[in-house]
Amino acid sequence: AQTVTQSQPEMSVQEAETVTLSCTYDTSESDYYLFWYKQPPSRQMILVIRQEAYKQQNATENRFSVNFQKAAKSFSLKISDSQLGDAAMYFCAYRSPAGTYKYIFGTGTRLKVLA
Amino acid sequence: DSGVTQTPKHLITATGQRVTLRCSPRSGDLSVYWYQQSLDQGLQFLIQYYNGEERAKGNILERFSAQQFPDLHSELNLSSLELGDSALYFCASSPRGGTTYEQYFGPGTRLTVT
Repeated sequence: AQTVTQSQPEMSVQEAETVTLSCTYDTSESDYYLFWYKQPPSRQMILVIRQEAYKQQNATENRFSVNFQKAAKSFSLKISDSQLGDAAMYFCAYRSPAGTYKYIFGTGTRLKVLA
Repeated sequence: DSGVTQTPKHLITATGQRVTLRCSPRSGDLSVYWYQQSLDQGLQFLIQYYNGEERAKGNILERFSAQQFPDLHSELNLSSLELGDSALYFCASSPRGGTTYEQYFGPGTRLTVT
């Protein structure tokens, strides 16, 4: 069965600095999708970034980028120029290929941004 | 706004009672997922429906059941409620086909069992 592990329960970053959140996963599948979701204090789940496993190029969305290492089964999120509004829980998620439809979420990393 | 709606936003009920949570997916989305998030915990996948049919099942208790109706809205029924069922219940939808497969989450229903 697939698993997703976020080994950092909590991280802190100074405003305007860069922080990297770690995520590893375990799967025997070759084609899948990976996501990072943000959950601010409002508890709304917001998609931050997505990565298709068949793409070698790392995804980037403005200040957010990923380091996708397929062989190592690692999917880390880098937040550049951190802002106070980035403070939230961040969840890494794995989706099986079409046909099984299951999403598996990690336990989350709480990010604190220090002014 | 994700386009996914959930009602009610808050629900307070007593142990042993039964409640129904409702979800309307984004227009055109055929898949609906239900998740449970206890305080400061991750998301536990409960169940998924696709175009009215159950497609995947996660850690859903026998006291819980769900269904998706012809208009694609979904309901999650929780019965014989226990204190431990207090949580935030999310509904999410995703489109059929497409190339990205991300989920869009509703605002959640906060259930408090007293």
